Amino acid sequence: GDSVTQMEGPVTLSEEAFLTINCTYTATGYPSLFWYVQYPGEGLQLLLKATKADDKGSNKGFEATYRKETTSFHLEKGSVQVSDSAVYFCALTAGAGGTSYGKLTFGQGTILTVHP
Amino acid sequence: DGGITQSPKYLFRKEGQNVTLSCEQNLNHDAMYWYRQDPGQGLRLIYYSQIVNDFQKGDIAEGYSVSREKKESFPLTVTSAQKNPTAFYLCASSIISGRGYNEQFFGPGTRLTVL
Repeated sequence: GDSVTQMEGPVTLSEEAFLTINCTYTATGYPSLFWYVQYPGEGLQLLLKATKADDKGSNKGFEATYRKETTSFHLEKGSVQVSDSAVYFCALTAGAGGTSYGKLTFGQGTILTVHP
Repeated sequence: DGGITQSPKYLFRKEGQNVTLSCEQNLNHDAMYWYRQDPGQGLRLIYYSQIVNDFQKGDIAEGYSVSREKKESFPLTVTSAQKNPTAFYLCASSIISGRGYNEQFFGPGTRLTVL
């Protein structure tokens, strides 16, 4: 079945440091890929998405590129802020060749803490 | 404003009791979902529904039940058969597109604690 593997956390950085959170996946067909963010005590918010190979999703300074050859969707940000402290989830939903009801498969989440 | 509401935010249950978590959306989405979140395990799908009066089991449906009598509402009942119900429960909704790509929108969650 479909699966998503994220780098283990927690990740602790100083403000303005460069961030990478690795995400790899296995899936049938052509999945769509997502990064969600969860702030303490809240639900998930969509951060960015990519629906086909080589697409780059971007939002709020975060970027991720859909790499089909390496089955990866790593999240990056050039300069993190204290306000970026949250849990980040990589997820996929099956596309053509897979199920069509939009089930999301999540990674285990990566806790990011940014210090001033 | 369109969105998803979940209530209550915090819920306490005694062992052996059934409890029902509310989820309402005014986004006119056809599909709704329930997830369970435990520390370090990401989100796991409990139940989902694509249309009124129809729903399917997800990966961890045992000990849970749902109903979908209205498009806007998808309540989740945690029964006494659920052996470890303490968790954070998230409801989500999405459109259903022929492309199979359906961005899901999440509610704020309900934290259930068994006393």
